[in-house]
Amino acid sequence: EVQLVESGGGLVKPGGSLRLSCAASGFTFFTYGMNWVRQAPGKGLEWVSSITSSSYMYYADSVKGRFTISRDNAKNSLYLQMDSLRAEDTAVYYCAKYYYDNSRYYNAFDIWGQGTKVTVSS
Amino acid sequence: DIQMTQSPSSVSASVGDRVTITCRASQGISTWLVWYQQKPGKAPKFLIYAASSLQSGVPSRFSGSGSGTDFTLTISSLQPEDFATYYCQQANSFPRTFGGGTKVEIK
Repeated sequence: EVQLVESGGGLVKPGGSLRLSCAASGFTFFTYGMNWVRQAPGKGLEWVSSITSSSYMYYADSVKGRFTISRDNAKNSLYLQMDSLRAEDTAVYYCAKYYYDNSRYYNAFDIWGQGTKVTVSS
Repeated sequence: DIQMTQSPSSVSASVGDRVTITCRASQGISTWLVWYQQKPGKAPKFLIYAASSLQSGVPSRFSGSGSGTDFTLTISSLQPEDFATYYCQQANSFPRTFGGGTKVEIK
């Protein structure tokens, strides 16, 4: 079964740091681009960051310079290092896998984890 | 950045109704458009990619259409399990952007 399991969320003070992890199983992790998407309480979905299979990284302007995405293919794991956290970073953070079919990526998120909650508050 | 605008923001419908949700991109994205369904407290579920291709296992009452800037998601006969919030997402370029969501509620 293809599965993504996030961990590492919690309560942190403004200006603090947190590292999210996403453990992948059931697919050849190293061949897929991976993503982080967040959802603030009662709000819609917001793309945060992507990393390709070759480790090219992309970020939303709202987190650029503060968040760092990375991956460890040996551990089948995706990470999001979040520094200089702000109240507006409060959200459920999902990791999501890119959809790949017929030798083509569609830049769609086909498998999602259950999410990990991050609360930034003093 | 490409802005994605969904309408309506909410719709009340009955079981068996036909429901259509619209998504408009601020610039042309060809068919790089994805649809998701999300239920409260759950992760989004992948429904449709490339504007009109149904993901495996998704019921055929769901369909997508459109290209360029205007897209639609149609549920041909609403079922009880379809009451949820639906999001579109442009897959054309970074940053990936989502529509604001359309909540399908029970009438």
